[in-house]
Amino acid sequence: DTGVSQDPRHKITKRGQNVTFRCDPISEHNRLYWYRQTLGQGPEFLTYFQNEAQLEKSRLLSDRFSAERPKGSFSTLEIQRTEQGDSAMYLCASSLGSGDEQYFGPGTRLTVT
Amino acid sequence: TQLLEQSPQFLSIQEGENLTVYCNSSSVFSSLQWYRQEPGEGPVLLVTVVTGGEVKKLKRLTFQFGDARKDSSLHITAAQPGDTGLYLCAGVRGNQFYFGTGTSLTVIP
Repeated sequence: DTGVSQDPRHKITKRGQNVTFRCDPISEHNRLYWYRQTLGQGPEFLTYFQNEAQLEKSRLLSDRFSAERPKGSFSTLEIQRTEQGDSAMYLCASSLGSGDEQYFGPGTRLTVT
Repeated sequence: TQLLEQSPQFLSIQEGENLTVYCNSSSVFSSLQWYRQEPGEGPVLLVTVVTGGEVKKLKRLTFQFGDARKDSSLHITAAQPGDTGLYLCAGVRGNQFYFGTGTSLTVIP
């Protein structure tokens, strides 16, 4: 399968714990995006990378959130000291370049109890 | 708050009926995309419209971009149960994609 993959698909954690999600984009894609989607809403932009450089971050990305793409391939999104309001679907997407079609992964559903 | 508002939020229709979904904003976008998302999956791109007034057809789906590039519509003719899903519009500005609030469509056989 050469699509975008995300791991894990589901994560249940207790409030205050740290969690880390992984995204593997399509191999030749330079751009990688992270979004958050809550029930009944469209995805909200969090951040994006051009190769290994993180070029833009949304105000939604508080200091408890950090994303990396160390070698310009896979990316990780870490949430520290999780809160119940962090419960959402976290989506990753990749594209060849600016303005090109985004291909989304299946998402990681986070539940904070 | 999201820049793009979609209406209706929920739509339940019988197979064979026609429907239109609207995507409105006060902001101008360089292009606008429509996606369909099924439960537990990521959105899948249906179409991208770039020029104000542009109309694109994809089988029974017709997409229109407003003249001022602030709004768009999706019209489905003779809806089928396989059309069931969450329809999302997304406006592109700079390097960011701004998604709409979504329209959940259910087509009843």
